[in-house]
Amino acid sequence: AQSVTQLDSHVSVSEGTPVLLRCNYSSSYSPSLFWYVQHPNKGLQLLLKYTSAATLVKGINGFEAEFKKSETSFHLTKPSAHMSDAAEYFCVVSSYSNQAGTALIFGKGTTLSVSS
Amino acid sequence: GAGVSQSPSNKVTEKGKDVELRCDPISGHTALYWYRQSLGQGLEFLIYFQGNSAPDKSGLPSDRFSAERTGGSVSTLTIQRTQQEDSAVYLCASSPRGGQVNSPLHFGNGTRLTVT
Repeated sequence: AQSVTQLDSHVSVSEGTPVLLRCNYSSSYSPSLFWYVQHPNKGLQLLLKYTSAATLVKGINGFEAEFKKSETSFHLTKPSAHMSDAAEYFCVVSSYSNQAGTALIFGKGTTLSVSS
Repeated sequence: GAGVSQSPSNKVTEKGKDVELRCDPISGHTALYWYRQSLGQGLEFLIYFQGNSAPDKSGLPSDRFSAERTGGSVSTLTIQRTQQEDSAVYLCASSPRGGQVNSPLHFGNGTRLTVT
C-alpha cells in the first residue's frame, strides 16, 4: 500500500530565508512523486515531479526536491522564500495500480506562511 | 489553452437538497478525477473516469454521491440529500493519460460547497 506523510502541518519562515517542507512516503513499488501548490482561492498547480530520472528535481518558482530512497523522503526546498510563496503545499505519491484513481495519494498538506 | 473548468465556483445549499457540480476537463484528456478537500484535511479521492471504461467509484463516501461523464468529456458530480458534513471544496482534475504513473493532474479551481 502507498501512503504519504507530510511531517509539518504549518511552517513559518521569514522572507529571504530557506524553506523546507518535509514529506515521507511509503510505496511497494518504485514511486512517482509530486509536489502541488495551492494558493488561496486558486486551484492546485504542479510544482515538480520525480519519475525515476534524476533524484534532484527542479520545479517552478525556484523550488526543488530531492528523492532519497534510503530515507523514503521527498522534501521540498527553496533557498530564499518570497512573500508570494505563502500557500498550501501537497506531497503526492503515485504508484502503478489497475485502479489508477486510487494510486494517487495526497498528503494532508503543509501551510507555508512567509513574514516580511 | 483553457484549463479545467468547474462550475459553480461557490454553492450554498440547504440541508436535504440535491446539488450538481460540473467539470469541463481539458480537451483531449481521457482521465478525469473528482476529489474533495475538507477543512484541515488532505485531498480525498472520490471517483475516477478513464475514457469509456466503467468508473472507479471506490472513493465515494456514500450512496448519496454519484457522478457521470457524458461523451468522455464533461462530468457531473451529484450529491443527493446534502448533509452539513458534505461542506467542502470539490476539485476536478484531468490527465492526458489516466493510469500512467508519470501523468500529472491538471486541477480546476474547485467548487466550494456550503451546506447550511
